[in-house]
Amino acid sequence: NAGVMQNPRHLVRRRGQEARLRCSPMKGHSHVYWYRQLPEEGLKFMVYLQKENIIDESGMPKERFSAEFPKEGPSILRIQQVVRGDSAAYFCASSPLPLDQGRELFFGEGSRLTVL
Amino acid sequence: AQSVSQHNHHVILSEAASLELGCNYSYGGTVNLFWYVQYPGQHLQLLLKYFSGDPLVKGIKGFEAEFIKSKFSFNLRKPSVQWSDTAEYFCAVKPDNYGQNFVFGPGTRLSVLP
Repeated sequence: NAGVMQNPRHLVRRRGQEARLRCSPMKGHSHVYWYRQLPEEGLKFMVYLQKENIIDESGMPKERFSAEFPKEGPSILRIQQVVRGDSAAYFCASSPLPLDQGRELFFGEGSRLTVL
Repeated sequence: AQSVSQHNHHVILSEAASLELGCNYSYGGTVNLFWYVQYPGQHLQLLLKYFSGDPLVKGIKGFEAEFIKSKFSFNLRKPSVQWSDTAEYFCAVKPDNYGQNFVFGPGTRLSVLP
């Protein structure tokens, strides 16, 4: 019963390093969403991808952040030159179809990034 | 700004007490509404959702929520909480004309004392 798998669960980086977070959606799901949760805040939408396509990146910071969902393999959220403000929990979610008509998101356990 | 608010940051209850967590949103038009729960160290799980029909929605583990359109609210209720309900609860809204993402409230932390 493989749900949404994220790794690593915890990642520590020093300022200026790169962070790569991986997400394998549930079997049969081709829609992937990344959310960020800052301390004491709710989840904020970052990006929505389908296989090989970025559909909506309206929540992504303009610099240093990128996401991909290749034809083969997991979706990757990449943060270059990390800063302390990037410390957060990053959640991946997936769905089998677009989020219309009450369809729900299925979440992974999150990746907690700490920037020293 | 369009948003989702949850009234309480942290709620502390004793076992068997009744629970009501508030959720309000500011989007006009048709919305889909959700409550998710995150138990310590686990992923977010869906408790219940409203898409259409009966505004009183029943979910898992004895939870229910009522959609009141005139109040833009979707409050979560449980008549008698258990220690195992200790978790963080998130209200989420998907407006119909707002792309393909959910807007989450800031969350309410529930602590149930045994």
